[in-house]
Amino acid sequence: DAKTTQPNSMESNEEEPVHLPCNHSTISGTDYIHWYRQLPSQGPEYVIHGLTSNVNNRMASLAIAEDRKSSTLILHRATLRDAAVYYCILRDANYGGSQGNLIFGKGTKLSVKP
Amino acid sequence: GAGVSQTPSNKVTEKGKYVELRCDPISGHTALYWYRQSLGQGPEFLIYFQGTGAADDSGLPNDRFFAVRPEGSVSTLKIQRTERGDSAVYLCASSHDARSNEQFFGPGTRLTVL
Repeated sequence: DAKTTQPNSMESNEEEPVHLPCNHSTISGTDYIHWYRQLPSQGPEYVIHGLTSNVNNRMASLAIAEDRKSSTLILHRATLRDAAVYYCILRDANYGGSQGNLIFGKGTKLSVKP
Repeated sequence: GAGVSQTPSNKVTEKGKYVELRCDPISGHTALYWYRQSLGQGPEFLIYFQGTGAADDSGLPNDRFFAVRPEGSVSTLKIQRTERGDSAVYLCASSHDARSNEQFFGPGTRLTVL
């Protein structure tokens, strides 16, 4: 599986936008980019995913570079409840077998200051 | 509706003992995953079920670890002759099927081996 690189930690102020970067220079043409987050003492939670085009949902936006070697998760207005570890994960579109599971890195720990 | 539940939430055992960890997936989800998370690390894949069968058990660290899902719903992760290095949070996730984009995680079971 292709690997991703994320900063270990980031800080944000409450009610300001947050841009969480992810590098995936060895991404293959069939890899989807998934983001999960893990709040303290909870299991991970799905945030968003995309292939080539930018994506928006109620939680966040995902901006994908034209060459797909990097992406950015955008939280439009950070709240204290957004403080979590954010994981960027590549997942092959040919799901099934060993490609069904998620391969997590260490993620980015986001701190939100009031 | 009810999410993924795991029992117990905490388990303390002594080195050498046998433990069972239970996962109740979301009703109707055919795919079920077990992950293990050590302190400061992202979750690590252990085993994945599609229905009753283990589609991929390549993440199980050794033959002391075993998991079953006899009726295609509830799953039990079994650890024999526990070692201190087995101490971690064991996470279960389910999805509608292996091709689903979103995995739903339970809160985890924190296992401590003394």
